[in-house]
Amino acid sequence: QVRLQEWGAGLLKPSETLSLTCSVSGGSFTENYWAWLRQFPGRGLEWIGEIHHGGITDYNPSLKSRVSITWSTSKRQFALRLSSVTAADTAIYYCARLMISGYINVWGQGTTVTVSS
Amino acid sequence: EIVLTQSPGTLSLSPGERATLSCRASQSVSANYVAWYQQRPGQAPRLLLYGTSNRATGIPDRFTGSGSGTDFSLTITRLEAEDFTVYYCQHYGGSPLVTFGGGTKVEIK
Repeated sequence: QVRLQEWGAGLLKPSETLSLTCSVSGGSFTENYWAWLRQFPGRGLEWIGEIHHGGITDYNPSLKSRVSITWSTSKRQFALRLSSVTAADTAIYYCARLMISGYINVWGQGTTVTVSS
Repeated sequence: EIVLTQSPGTLSLSPGERATLSCRASQSVSANYVAWYQQRPGQAPRLLLYGTSNRATGIPDRFTGSGSGTDFSLTITRLEAEDFTVYYCQHYGGSPLVTFGGGTKVEIK
């Protein structure tokens, strides 16, 4: 059974870089698609991007200039970096497993990131 | 960008009643790539249905999905107490690759 656990700094100042890591336990690491998503206060869910198959990435075009997703197969971890954050990046950030058919069947518990001066 | 519009925003029903939640896409999409999630307060979303109508592991059969083209729906045939929460539809395959609807809250009348 795949389990995900994310962690990282929860309070950032505007212009800083958000950095989160997700640890994967169970299942195959390299054969899955791993994603980052976020949920804004008031419900809205947004896909940030994914990484799979040798480190191939795909990002939300609205964030592409600021986002980077990387992985470490030896550590079974994948990471999110989002630069130049603003208050609009305040959200709960989730790591997740995205199936090839496009649905998400494993979620981390979520970590809250607040951007405030 | 494919935009998913969920309606109604809030659905007020009583336990035992039938709930029908709508998800409309801004353009025709493949039914293979439409999913539904349930989210309870303080928890991550939970997969209910994928490929429009396939129930995820452990999901009771009172949850059913249907639709094609631009119109999809989630039906909960007999609402139980734990079903009163928020539901999201999701599509995969456009740009951005994954998009979600704005959610429907099912509340107790």
